[in-house]
Amino acid sequence: AQSVSQHNHHVILSEAASLELGCNYSYGGTVNLFWYVQYPGQHLQLLLKYFSGDPLVKGIKGFEAEFIKSKFSFNLRKPSVQWSDTAEYFCAVNARGYKLIFGSGTRLLVRP
Amino acid sequence: EAQVTQNPRYLITVTGKKLTVTCSQNMNHEYMSWYRQDPGLGLRQIYYSMNVEVTDKGDVPEGYKVSRKEKRNFPLILESPSPNQTSLYFCASNPSATGELFFGEGSRLTVL
Repeated sequence: AQSVSQHNHHVILSEAASLELGCNYSYGGTVNLFWYVQYPGQHLQLLLKYFSGDPLVKGIKGFEAEFIKSKFSFNLRKPSVQWSDTAEYFCAVNARGYKLIFGSGTRLLVRP
Repeated sequence: EAQVTQNPRYLITVTGKKLTVTCSQNMNHEYMSWYRQDPGLGLRQIYYSMNVEVTDKGDVPEGYKVSRKEKRNFPLILESPSPNQTSLYFCASNPSATGELFFGEGSRLTVL
């Protein structure tokens, strides 16, 4: 069965630190990849997505992610985090048409 | 404004008392789905619908029912709620099978 793994469940950083959140998936075929963000008390919002083309994808708020097919990975990065980036981040993979499979999420706390 | 609207946002109920969580989208999306979010488990799909009168089970459908009589509405029905259905529920819609979902604000359900 397809699965999505997010290795870091909790991450604590100071403002201006760099961020990298890991995401690996298990599926050998064509995939669409997503990162969603959930700010405290809010619903999920799309941060960025990859369907095809340039494996380095830029999203909103300075986030980017790199698709590495050989590693089945889609890690999220941001060079310098802000306090307002405190949120939970979900990686998701669409491998069979409609069904979207989510990782278990990573809670990021950014200290001012 | 394009949105997915869920009601109620918060509900406390007792075991066995039937309840319905409504979901409506105004984007004319064909696809709609329900997820539950639990700590450490991420989002798990309960049911999804590809069009009017077309629904299918997701990963955790037990104890839930859905219907899709109109394109814009996709209610989630708990015929006999149990405490293990205490969770945060999200409705989502998307315009195609690409997996980019638009989420509602969430409905926090507590079953005593």
